[in-house]
Amino acid sequence: AQSVTQLDSHVSVSEGTPVLLRCNYSSSYSPSLFWYVQHPNKGLQLLLKYTSAATLVKGINGFEAEFKKSETSFHLTKPSAHMSDAAEYFCVVGNQAGTALIFGKGTTLSVSS
Amino acid sequence: DTGVSQDPRHKITKRGQNVTFRCDPISEHNRLYWYRQTLGQGPEFLTYFQNEAQLEKSRLLSDRFSAERPKGSFSTLEIQRTEQGDSAMYLCASSLAWGMSTDTQYFGPGTRLTVL
Repeated sequence: AQSVTQLDSHVSVSEGTPVLLRCNYSSSYSPSLFWYVQHPNKGLQLLLKYTSAATLVKGINGFEAEFKKSETSFHLTKPSAHMSDAAEYFCVVGNQAGTALIFGKGTTLSVSS
Repeated sequence: DTGVSQDPRHKITKRGQNVTFRCDPISEHNRLYWYRQTLGQGPEFLTYFQNEAQLEKSRLLSDRFSAERPKGSFSTLEIQRTEQGDSAMYLCASSLAWGMSTDTQYFGPGTRLTVL
């Protein structure tokens, strides 16, 4: 069965420093992978999506993620954190049928000034 | 594009009561999904519709839960005889999907259910 593991439940960074949110996946097929962000009292927003076209995926707001098959990883990065990046981030894998999304438990990103 | 909307945004009910939530997807989207998110966890898939047909249900969807999408547009999720364990955020998403590709799902703001 497919699954994702987010390796950190909470990440704290200072404004202007790099962000790294780690995600490992498990899948018996070539997966579709996503990162979603959830701000307090707001809906889930798609940051980026990997579907095998390119291993380095660029998303919105300066985020990007690299698909590494050998490491079964899909880590999310951003060169410079902004205060507005503080939120909950979810690593997600699509099921084999292309219907349900399987979410990780989430990583809370805190950004201090 | 007005996005996915859900109503109500908050619902407080007493144990044993029935509740119904509504989801209006993005207008041209043919797939509609329901997820449940409990505190500190990621959303969990409940069910999805392709047009008006309910094609997949998770084992999380007990007999007390029923979902409909009667005309292939909006959907309702009903919970009968609510229990305290049903307290959660109920999320709706929609997508324009064909075949077995995993298309982008767009989420609504959710309905937060509290069962007293």
